This record gives sequence, structure tokens and C-alpha cells, in this order.
Amino acid sequence: DIQMTQSPASLSASLEEIVTITCQASQDIGNWLAWYQQKPGKSPQLLIYGATSLADGVPSRFSGSRSGTQYSLKISRLQVEDIGIYYCLQAYSAPWTFGGGTKLELK
Amino acid sequence: EVQLQESGPGLVKPSQSLSLTCSVTGYSITSNYWGWIRKFPGNKMEWMGYISYSGSTSYNPSLKSRISITRDTSKNQFFLQLNSVTTEDTATYYCARSLIRGTFDYWGQGVMVTVSS
Repeated sequence: DIQMTQSPASLSASLEEIVTITCQASQDIGNWLAWYQQKPGKSPQLLIYGATSLADGVPSRFSGSRSGTQYSLKISRLQVEDIGIYYCLQAYSAPWTFGGGTKLELK
Repeated sequence: EVQLQESGPGLVKPSQSLSLTCSVTGYSITSNYWGWIRKFPGNKMEWMGYISYSGSTSYNPSLKSRISITRDTSKNQFFLQLNSVTTEDTATYYCARSLIRGTFDYWGQGVMVTVSS
């Protein structure tokens, strides 16, 4: 199975701050990487697919990038509504595997 | 608007089977892919499997022969059955639509299932 190592596990940041979360794939997964946000008490929401494409309705402060087998999610100016848990998911090969999650809190 | 809703028992005894239904409105399950994902206490997420527009399936090998995903196209529903459950299967179970691999754009609200005697 492809392992997705996500970091950090938790993150405390201030409003308007730039936040970056990363996922390291254990092997090449191309652009088969998606990012999800899960707010407290809600279902996960798709943010980014294809490593860099913004999903419909997602604010432009979210962006995804790739460098080799490392993938990053960037929030350019943190807002209150961005608090939650973030996950990456690789779908290059089955079984599709999630990163361990990053819990984002307000400082 | 595409909507998914999970239903099923919230409590299952060890060694029994867990059966969940995902009812879909606003989109036909004869298109795209339809998956089950679960979230364990402690926040770990696991992709369980999917059923495709044609009825073919793909499962997480970690679930071995315990899992089955089926569908009823006349009711626009798909189903999860997980056999021989243990307390390790306690989780919140989600159904979701996948347009392309790994891209789950619509999710159900989730159903919490506890395995306990």
C-alpha cells in the first residue's frame, strides 16, 4: 500500500496567517492527490483534486502544489471558518489511502 | 442537487454483520463511482471500497473477504455489508460520490456505528 505521511499532525495559527500542510507519498502517485477539509460535526468537503485543481465553490485562498512526491495545501490567509481537520487522499492505486490528518486550530 | 444519506443500525454486536444503505437523490448511481469511507475515533480515515456505474467493485484488501458493496438501481441506492465485525470496526461511516479516482465531491452526513455487546 502507498503510505501518505501528513504533517504536521496539529497546527495552531492566527487569523490572516499563511498555513501550509504537507503530505509525503511513499512512492510516485502522479497528480492523483486530493485534499479534504472536515469541520467539526460535518462531513468532509473536497478542496483540491488532481493535486492542484480547486474544487467548485472553494475559496481561492486555498491552493495545492506538488514537488515530486511531496504535496502541499496552502491557505493564504487563515479565516475562522477554516478551522477543522485536513486530510490528503491518494488515488493512484488501490487501496486509496489517506494521510493521518492535520488538526488546524486558531491561536 | 446531489444528496446522499446513510441509514442503518447504530449498534452492532461483535461477530455480526454491519449493513448500511446509502440513498442517493439528484443523480443516478448508474453514472460515476460510489464509495464507502469510514472515520475511526481518533480521526484516522479509511477508504473501504466503491461500486462503479457498471456495478463493478473495488475493495480495500485490509477488509479481505468481509466486505461487500452492492446496489439497487431501481431505488438509486447502494449498500455496504461488513461481516464478522469487531470493536475495531467502530467508526463513523460515510457514503460519497467519486467523479474521478479519489475525488469525492458529495458526501452523506455519516452514520456512527458502534460495535459492542
